[in-house]
Amino acid sequence: EVQLVQSGAEVKKPGESLKISCTGSGYSFTTYYIAWVRQVPGKGLEWMGNIYPGDSDTRYSPTFQGQVTISADKSFKTVYLQWRSLKASDTAMYYCARGPLIDYWGQGTLVIVSS
Amino acid sequence: EIVLTQSPATLSLSPGERATLSCRASQSVSRDLAWYQQKPGQAPRLLIYDASNRATGIPARFSGSGSGTDFTLTISSLEPEDFAVYYCQQRSNWPPWTFGQGTKVEIK
Repeated sequence: EVQLVQSGAEVKKPGESLKISCTGSGYSFTTYYIAWVRQVPGKGLEWMGNIYPGDSDTRYSPTFQGQVTISADKSFKTVYLQWRSLKASDTAMYYCARGPLIDYWGQGTLVIVSS
Repeated sequence: EIVLTQSPATLSLSPGERATLSCRASQSVSRDLAWYQQKPGQAPRLLIYDASNRATGIPARFSGSGSGTDFTLTISSLEPEDFAVYYCQQRSNWPPWTFGQGTKVEIK
């Protein structure tokens, strides 16, 4: 069974750093793209970027370029989304998803940034 | 970047009625378009891929059509569990994997 399991919810202060994770199982991890998708409460889905774990080729949406870093560790079958300095506007649910035909989604990681 | 525009933003219907949702692309995406359903507190779920193919386990009341720039998701007879938000997404010209802004199907 294909599964994407994300790390748990986080509550952080503005300016803090954060790294959340998405671990894949039940399929060949290195042969599918993994994307990160943001959903601000009450709003739609925004593609942030994706990585191909096979060679770590990474693409970012212009909106998120320079704001986040996507990385992968093949040995742990895990993809990461990282912030150096969080802002209140980063408060959202973050999903990882297998694609580009997004057939499987992680359960989501809620990130709350508040002073 | 391809922009996907969904209409209407909200669809108010009663159970048993037919729902027709539209997704228009700013340029051709061939048939590389998918539809997702999202219920409150849940991750999206794949309904339709390649414009008209139902994903595994999706009931036959859901159907997709279209190609190029105009696509339609039809729910032939709404069940109570179908009231949700629906998104279209293209993978023809990526990155990015563009999403539409969503259509909310609500109970009238």
